Amino acid sequence: LAKTTQPISMDSYEGQEVNITCSHNNIATNDYITWYQQFPSQGPRFIIQGYKTKVTNEVASLFIPADRKSSTLSLPRVSLSDTAVYYCLVGEFGGFQKLVFGTGTRLLVSP
Amino acid sequence: DAGVTQSPTHLIKTRGQHVTLRCSPISGHKSVSWYQQVLGQGPQFIFQYYEKEERGRGNFPDRFSARQFPNYSSELNVNALLLGDSALYLCASSLELAQYNEQFFGPGTRLTVL
Repeated sequence: LAKTTQPISMDSYEGQEVNITCSHNNIATNDYITWYQQFPSQGPRFIIQGYKTKVTNEVASLFIPADRKSSTLSLPRVSLSDTAVYYCLVGEFGGFQKLVFGTGTRLLVSP
Repeated sequence: DAGVTQSPTHLIKTRGQHVTLRCSPISGHKSVSWYQQVLGQGPQFIFQYYEKEERGRGNFPDRFSARQFPNYSSELNVNALLLGDSALYLCASSLELAQYNEQFFGPGTRLTVL
């Protein structure tokens, strides 16, 4: 399973766009990139998943360059409720579902 | 529809005791996974069960065991508790085994070992 590296923490203000970058230099051909969000004392929640280029849903966008050695989660116009820990995961789609979480990025959104 | 439910929400035990944690998956979900999350760290995979069979095991000692029942609910058992077992224990369910992204987590059980 590919190892991921993310910033430990980030600070932002309400209404700003937040970009969290994850490095995964040894990503394999069959690996997908998935982001989870976790609030204190709650289980993680799936945000977005992608393989290459750009993926967008109602919550976030995921940008993946051609070499796939990194990815960027983009949160548009964050609010206070976006304060959480964000985890980048890399693994093969299908089959064994062991999710390997790193330490994540703690995002703090201030008024 | 109800999400993944776990019981109890909080639990306090002493070293050497045994604990049983319970998880009810989303209705129709056949796969249940267990994770341990120590304060300040990401969740660590313990077990996965699918159709009542163990399909995966993380790097945890034999003091940890689990099972899945015919109704797809699951129990996680930990024997001979150590202080280091204090953590948030998370249960996640998914519809089928093969879908990597669609795991839904419960709120967890906070275990404190004194």
